[in-house]
Amino acid sequence: DAKTTQPNSMESNEEEPVHLPCNHSTISGTDYIHWYRQLPSQGPEYVIHGLTSNVNNRMASLAIAEDRKSSTLILHRATLRDAAVYYCILRDPQHINTGTASKLTFGTGTRLQVTL
Amino acid sequence: EAQVTQNPRYLITVTGKKLTVTCSQNMNHEYMSWYRQDPGLGLRQIYYSMNVEATDKGDVPEGYKVSRKEKRNFPLILESPSPNQTSLYFCASSFTGEHYGYTFGSGTRLTVV
Repeated sequence: DAKTTQPNSMESNEEEPVHLPCNHSTISGTDYIHWYRQLPSQGPEYVIHGLTSNVNNRMASLAIAEDRKSSTLILHRATLRDAAVYYCILRDPQHINTGTASKLTFGTGTRLQVTL
Repeated sequence: EAQVTQNPRYLITVTGKKLTVTCSQNMNHEYMSWYRQDPGLGLRQIYYSMNVEATDKGDVPEGYKVSRKEKRNFPLILESPSPNQTSLYFCASSFTGEHYGYTFGSGTRLTVV
C-alpha cells in the first residue's frame, strides 16, 4: 500500500493560514488523496479529498502537486477550533467497492496547535 | 441531523462479562466499520460491513464479533472481554465509492478490569 508521511506537529497563530504538508511519493495513478481530522475527544471527521486538481470546500483547500507525490491541506484562517490531528490518507478507487480498500488506514498524522 | 450514534460513550466492565456496543446511522449508508484507537498504535480497523448480512474481518478482529441484520445498525460484540480490549472505539459509515467521506461516531471508551 502507498504510504503517506506527515510532520508530527505544527503550530499556527489564530486567523493565519496554515499549510499542512503530506508526502506520498509512491502514490499510484488511481489513488485518491483524502484528509481527515480528529478534534480532541471526538471521532475523526472528513475534511476533503482530491485526485489531481486542487479542491476547495467550506472547510479547507487541497493543493495537489503536479506529479502527485505530495499534497497540502490549506486552512485559510486557522481558529482555535481547528486544533486537531490531521490525517492524510490514500484510497484506491479500483478497490473502493471491496471491503479491504474501503478501509481507511490512518497514520500518525500531524498535530496542529493553534495559539492566540 | 445526519449522524452515527454510538452507545454507550463510556463503559467499565469486568473481564469475561459479555457486552455490546451499539452503532446506528441515519444516512442510509451501505458501508459500516469499527475501529479501535490506542496510544502509539493509532486507529485500526476491527470489522467492516459492505451491506446487510455482509461482514468481514479488519486488521484486529480477535475477540470481537459483529452483525449487520439491518442497514442502519452495526453492533460490536465482545463475548468475553479482556483487559487488552481496553480502548477507544469508533464506528464509521459511508456510501461506497471514492467520492464519499466517512462519518464517524463520537466514540466509546471501554475499560476492562
